[in-house]
Amino acid sequence: AQTVTQSQPEMSVQEAETVTLSCTYDTSESNYYLFWYKQPPSRQMILVIRQEAYKQQNATENRFSVNFQKAAKSFSLKISDSQLGDTAMYFCAFMLAGSEKLVFGKGTKLTVNP
Amino acid sequence: KAGVTQTPRYLIKTRGQQVTLSCSPISGHRSVSWYQQTPGQGLQFLFEYFSETQRNKGNFPGRFSGRQFSNSRSEMNVSTLELGDSALYLCASSPGVGQGLQPQHFGDGTRLSIL
Repeated sequence: AQTVTQSQPEMSVQEAETVTLSCTYDTSESNYYLFWYKQPPSRQMILVIRQEAYKQQNATENRFSVNFQKAAKSFSLKISDSQLGDTAMYFCAFMLAGSEKLVFGKGTKLTVNP
Repeated sequence: KAGVTQTPRYLIKTRGQQVTLSCSPISGHRSVSWYQQTPGQGLQFLFEYFSETQRNKGNFPGRFSGRQFSNSRSEMNVSTLELGDSALYLCASSPGVGQGLQPQHFGDGTRLSIL
């Protein structure tokens, strides 16, 4: 069974600074996808960024980028130029190719301070 | 394009009752998945339906069931409610081809409270 671990329950950052959220996962499979989802207090889960395991290049979406280390089974999220609207719970998630089942970590509560 | 719609937004029930939650996926999406979110257990996968068939199931008791209709709308039912069933229930839809390039889109959830 796959597991996802987020070791930082809470983090805070000053507006305009950079913050990195950690995620590790465990799987014996080679073909899978990794995601970061954001859940603001409004509670809707919003996809932030995704990474295909077969791609070595790290995914980037505007201010959000990942550091994907397949051998180490690590998938961290870097948020640059943090904004107040980035305040939310961030969940790392794993999905096997061919499946629609997402396995989530426990989440990291990020607070961006003015 | 309308997003994933879940109804109702809030629900209060008492122990022993049963409840039905509804999810309308994004138009064209054939896969609907359900997740339970609690402070203690986090987000846990309940089941996934594709073309009216349950394709995958999580580790939940038989009191939790679901179904999908021909228009891809899905319902989940919980019978004999227990206090521990209090949670946010999230529904997600996708085209259903099992590719992360077409990831799941989530609804706003149904907050179920058991008294």
